[in-house]
Amino acid sequence: SQELEQSPQSLIVQEGKNLTINCTSSKTLYGLYWYKQKYGEGLIFLMMLQKGGEEKSHEKITAKLDEKKQQSSLHITASQPSHAGIYLCGAGPQGGSEKLVFGKGTKLTVNP
Amino acid sequence: GAGVSQTPSNKVTEKGKYVELRCDPISGHTALYWYRQSLGQGPEFLIYFQGTGAADDSGLPNDRFFAVRPEGSVSTLKIQRTERGDSAVYLCASSLMGGDIQYFGAGTRLSVL
Repeated sequence: SQELEQSPQSLIVQEGKNLTINCTSSKTLYGLYWYKQKYGEGLIFLMMLQKGGEEKSHEKITAKLDEKKQQSSLHITASQPSHAGIYLCGAGPQGGSEKLVFGKGTKLTVNP
Repeated sequence: GAGVSQTPSNKVTEKGKYVELRCDPISGHTALYWYRQSLGQGPEFLIYFQGTGAADDSGLPNDRFFAVRPEGSVSTLKIQRTERGDSAVYLCASSLMGGDIQYFGAGTRLSVL
């Protein structure tokens, strides 16, 4: 079965700093999803990547899927307190199964 | 509604009791998913519905867990003879069709005492 490992497990940064979160898969990724979760809330969809080398951006968040499609990174530029939360990567449906397999998450704290 | 709605938001029950958790998906979404999230972990898949039928229930941990979606919209996750280990946040998601982007509800936090 596919496993996703996220690093770091937690991250504390000063407001305005850049940061990167990594997600490494044990198998080739056929779709990689990034979600953000705040305490007591559900997962908020951020971005989906499918093609090797693909890069997407939304506001100050950029996600990339490497050429071999086994690793993705999420980069936040000029972090703000509103970026705080838990970032989860999820491996997309494959092999006829529609379920997502998630990493354990990276907890981000942004200090003002 | 605009998003996936889950009720109740919190449920406290005693060991051995029966509970039902409800999920109301985004209008028009044919696919519905249940996940379970324990503290410090990512969500773990339980079951996936396409329309009224369970297309994949491989994540249900045992026969105490059961889910239905009789009219292809609202779904109910049912847990019999609850155990303390069932305590977790139960998340529901829906997508336009199977394989599309999944949108999640806020979850039901289940505590079994």
